Amino acid sequence: NAGVTQTPKFQVLKTGQSMTLQCAQDMNHEYMSWYRQDPGMGLRLIHYSVGAGITDQGEVPNGYNVSRSTTEDFPLRLLSAAPSQTSVYFCASSYRVNRALTEKLFFGSGTQLSVL
Amino acid sequence: RKEVEQDPGPFNVPEGATVAFNCTYSNSASQSFFWYRQDCRKEPKLLMSVYSSGNEDGRFTAQLNRASQYISLLIRDSKLSDSATYLCVVNLAGTYKYIFGTGTRLKVLA
Repeated sequence: NAGVTQTPKFQVLKTGQSMTLQCAQDMNHEYMSWYRQDPGMGLRLIHYSVGAGITDQGEVPNGYNVSRSTTEDFPLRLLSAAPSQTSVYFCASSYRVNRALTEKLFFGSGTQLSVL
Repeated sequence: RKEVEQDPGPFNVPEGATVAFNCTYSNSASQSFFWYRQDCRKEPKLLMSVYSSGNEDGRFTAQLNRASQYISLLIRDSKLSDSATYLCVVNLAGTYKYIFGTGTRLKVLA
């Protein structure tokens, strides 16, 4: 009954370091996405994917890369971390109920990232 | 104008009070509506989906007004444990586009 699994829960990086946030879901969801949440800003979409091999940019994609080689996994890569990327990151997934209706978002437990 | 708007609060209410939040949306293609609860720095958790006819889950009642383009959440008999931020989420028909409000903060006071 894992749902959406995110790792790590906490991470501290130095400016310029790279790292990958992992996200996996075991519900066979077509849709996966990454959000960041900053105080007073709400959730902002970074990148999303509607299936293996398909990714697209969200609202705030700069500084982040994604790939979707399998249905289950959707890692988020920070190529050269900057202090502006200090945030809480959430992975979320979902699926279509039918052609017109999409289900709710299922969230991972989040990653608190600090870039010094 | 934001696509989904919520009063940020905080709403400070005594235990046992009834409190209501509204959320307005601007896109008439909005199809699915959700209320999520979020505790500080934790992941949002689904509180309830909002159906056209309105729906109730224990102390919580959600309603949708398509004509005026808003949804509401009513919490009766507030508990200390209801203190959290409540996020309104709107999904556009036939898409994976989810639009989030910035949340309404609720504090239930002893």
